Amino acid sequence: AQSVAQPEDQVNVAEGNPLTVKCTYSVSGNPYLFWYVQYPNRGLQFLLKYITGDNLVKGSYGFEAEFNKSQTSFHLKKPSALVSDSALYFCAVRDNYGQNFVFGPGTRLSVLP
Amino acid sequence: DSGVTQTPKHLITATGQRVTLRCSPRSGDLSVYWYQQSLDQGLQFLIQYYNGEERAKGNILERFSAQQFPDLHSELNLSSLELGDSALYFCASSIDFLAGRTDTQYFGPGTRLTVL
Repeated sequence: AQSVAQPEDQVNVAEGNPLTVKCTYSVSGNPYLFWYVQYPNRGLQFLLKYITGDNLVKGSYGFEAEFNKSQTSFHLKKPSALVSDSALYFCAVRDNYGQNFVFGPGTRLSVLP
Repeated sequence: DSGVTQTPKHLITATGQRVTLRCSPRSGDLSVYWYQQSLDQGLQFLIQYYNGEERAKGNILERFSAQQFPDLHSELNLSSLELGDSALYFCASSIDFLAGRTDTQYFGPGTRLTVL
């Protein structure tokens, strides 16, 4: 069965600094990887996804993620953090068979002014 | 605004009761997914429907059931409610073109269920 780990419950970064939110996964076959963001009292919003092709995926709001097959990772990055990026971030994976969609536990990002 | 609507926004009920949560997918989307988000369990996939038929099942309890109607809206029925069922319930939809593995899911705003 597939699984997703987000090793950090909380990430703090100063505004203007680069940010990284980590995600590692375990899945049979080729992974389909997603990042979502959840703002307080809101549903999840799609940021980006990796299906195939270029390992660096660019998404919404200046975010990007790098797929690393050998390390089974899909870390979310942004070159310069904004206070408005403070939210809960979820990594998710779907396997080759598309039978299940597994989310990680979430990482709370706080960008400090 | 994702285009996915959920009603009601809030629901307060008592243990042992039954409730129905409703979801309308984005226009054109054929798949509907249900998720439960609680503090201790995180975000859990419950069930997926595609064009009226059940496609995938996750950690859904036997007390819970869902269906998708011909107009593609979906309902999640929760019965014999327990205190531990208190959570945010999200619906998401996707086009689910072809195999649908790669489709982006768009989430509704959620229904907050409180069981007293």
